[in-house]
Amino acid sequence: RKEVEQDPGPFNVPEGATVAFNCTYSNSASQSFFWYRQDCRKEPKLLMSVYSSGNEDGRFTAQLNRASQYISLLIRDSKLSDSATYLCVVTQTGANNLFFGTGTRLTVIP
Amino acid sequence: DTGVSQNPRHKITKRGQNVTFRCDPISEHNRLYWYRQTLGQGPEFLTYFQNEAQLEKSRLLSDRFSAERPKGSFSTLEIQRTEQGDSAMYLCASSLHGQSYEQYFGPGTRLTVT
Repeated sequence: RKEVEQDPGPFNVPEGATVAFNCTYSNSASQSFFWYRQDCRKEPKLLMSVYSSGNEDGRFTAQLNRASQYISLLIRDSKLSDSATYLCVVTQTGANNLFFGTGTRLTVIP
Repeated sequence: DTGVSQNPRHKITKRGQNVTFRCDPISEHNRLYWYRQTLGQGPEFLTYFQNEAQLEKSRLLSDRFSAERPKGSFSTLEIQRTEQGDSAMYLCASSLHGQSYEQYFGPGTRLTVT
C-alpha cells in the first residue's frame, strides 16, 4: 500500500471556480503534512504546510483530519495560473525524507 | 542564482553505460536529498546526506546506484550499467538541519536510457 494516496484527476475547472483535492495517508505515525505544487516539467515547490487546526493562505485552505488520516486542499476563485499538479506530502517520525502522493492534475479553463 | 542547481539537465544514454549527475545545493543547506520521479508519479526518495555523511538509503537504491557528497557541498549520483527502467527525472533537494521538511528542489536531470 502506498504511503500517500491521491486521485490523479485531471480536474478541469472554469476560472473562478472552487476546487477541492483530497488525499489519505496510511501511516498513523505520520508527523507533518504539506502540499507541494509542480508545474509541467518543473521541480516541486512547497505551497503550504497543513496543520490540524486548518490553515489558510489567500485563496488556499488546507485541512488535516488525523483521525481519518485525511488531508485536503481547497482553492477558491481559481486562476489560470493555478493550473499545475498538486502533490500531497507527508513525513514520518524518524525519517528525514518526504513521502509524495502521485499528484492531482488541475487545469483551469478560461 | 542561489537555488539548487543540477547538471546536466538532460542525458540520453545507451543501456549498459554509466552516467553521473551533479547537484549543487543552496550554499548554507547542510542536508541534501536525491529523489526519482517517473511520469504520472510523485517523487520517490532515494538517499539523503547530512553534510558529507550518507545517513539514509531507500530500497529503491540498487547496487548499481551510488551517491557521494565528498566535502559536504555538491553531490554526485552515479548509475552503473544503466537499464531502460532507470529512465526518469532525478531530482535533488536541499534543506537546513532542523527544517528538513522544507526542501528546495533543483530543476532535475532527465535521464533517457535507450
